Amino acid sequence: GESVGLHLPTLSVQEGDNSIINCAYSNSASDYFIWYKQESGKGPQFIIDIRSNMDKRQGQRVTVLLNKTVKHLSLQIAATQPGDSAVYFCAENTGANSKLTFGKGITLSVRP
Amino acid sequence: GAGVSQSPSNKVTEKGKDVELRCDPISGHTALYWYRQSLGQGLEFLIYFQGNSAPDKSGLPSDRFSAERTGGSVSTLTIQRTQQEDSAVYLCASSLVYASWEQYFGPGTRLTVT
Repeated sequence: GESVGLHLPTLSVQEGDNSIINCAYSNSASDYFIWYKQESGKGPQFIIDIRSNMDKRQGQRVTVLLNKTVKHLSLQIAATQPGDSAVYFCAENTGANSKLTFGKGITLSVRP
Repeated sequence: GAGVSQSPSNKVTEKGKDVELRCDPISGHTALYWYRQSLGQGLEFLIYFQGNSAPDKSGLPSDRFSAERTGGSVSTLTIQRTQQEDSAVYLCASSLVYASWEQYFGPGTRLTVT
């Protein structure tokens, strides 16, 4: 069946270290993969997306890697800061419409 | 500038009552989306609007759920005869164009059915 899931429910990192958040997907027909960040009490915030014909995309302090062979998506955050503490969701879209399928989310906790 | 706003921010209702949740998208955004987020869960897609039309209503959990959008702007999500399993945070998002993954979310309406 189609599903998007995350390997670990929580991730604790030291401030200044790099963070890697992983996500597995099962729908090989997905066209786009997206990362969202949700802070407590707020709606999700778009971080970065990557199209299925790419394997890497970089943003400001973030990098998304896509491995279609093993259906794996990761978000790397460089020099993690306290403001990065949030729940991170990966999502996928098959391109047929605007429907996004979200994973359950992983909590990133940054230790000072 | 103004982001997506939702009202009310919190709603407590008794089982069996109807509720209306409102979403004001960012001005000029043509696409509007509704999601539901249960405690500790990811987001569940409910419905989207392109302009005033909703091409795909298959995400609505039951026929007690309906949504409309008027004037290409404000949208209302209505839940009739609420049940306890309807308790969740209902999130609205908008995007400039249809099929954009850069969706801007509102803060959500936390619905509690007692």
